[in-house]
Amino acid sequence: GENVEQHPSTLSVQEGDSAVIKCTYSDSASNYFPWYKQELGKGPQLIIDIRSNVGEKKDQRIAVTLNKTAKHFSLHITETQPEDSAVYFCAASKSSGTSYGKLTFGQGTILTVHP
Amino acid sequence: GAVVSQHPSRVICKSGTSVKIECRSLDFQATTMFWYRQFPKQSLMLMATSNEGSKATYEQGVEKDKFLINHASLTLSTLTVTSAHPEDSSFYICSARALLVTVENSPLHFGNGTRLTVT
Repeated sequence: GENVEQHPSTLSVQEGDSAVIKCTYSDSASNYFPWYKQELGKGPQLIIDIRSNVGEKKDQRIAVTLNKTAKHFSLHITETQPEDSAVYFCAASKSSGTSYGKLTFGQGTILTVHP
Repeated sequence: GAVVSQHPSRVICKSGTSVKIECRSLDFQATTMFWYRQFPKQSLMLMATSNEGSKATYEQGVEKDKFLINHASLTLSTLTVTSAHPEDSSFYICSARALLVTVENSPLHFGNGTRLTVT
């Protein structure tokens, strides 16, 4: 099955700096890669996703890059703000057939943005 | 926007009792719902896939007789933890896939989770 590795496990940055979280996956058939933000006691919230036919996607301060050959993808947050502090999870899935929606999650990254 | 509601948000039960958790899609129809479990400071682990009108598919290592899943309608799936034990204490989260014409464009939505504590 799929295996997703996520690094770093914790990340501490100053407000205004950039934050980068990296993930690798093992199943070359995976083609859907979402990123989630989880705040304490809540369910994951989708912040951005990318499909394998795209190398990069950006949404305001958040961007995701994908290298299919190397089987890794990264989350980039620019101009970080204290409210960005949360746990971030990457995930991988196949985007078609019965496997769609069956997400394999990375281990999570605790991001702390200091004012 | 689309919302997935879980109920209850928190539940405490005694060892040996059963607990039912509901997952509802509020403004869309969900052919498929997924149940995840998350232990403190750990990642989400998929437990089972729930398909409306058919039996759930369980991931390896998940006891289907202990974690009963029912998906009786396109807007409701339930997870029942039977004969709960303290080691079943965890955060249970559901997600739902909206019914759209193309599977590839069907968005996934997560509920806010249920904190189960078994004493």
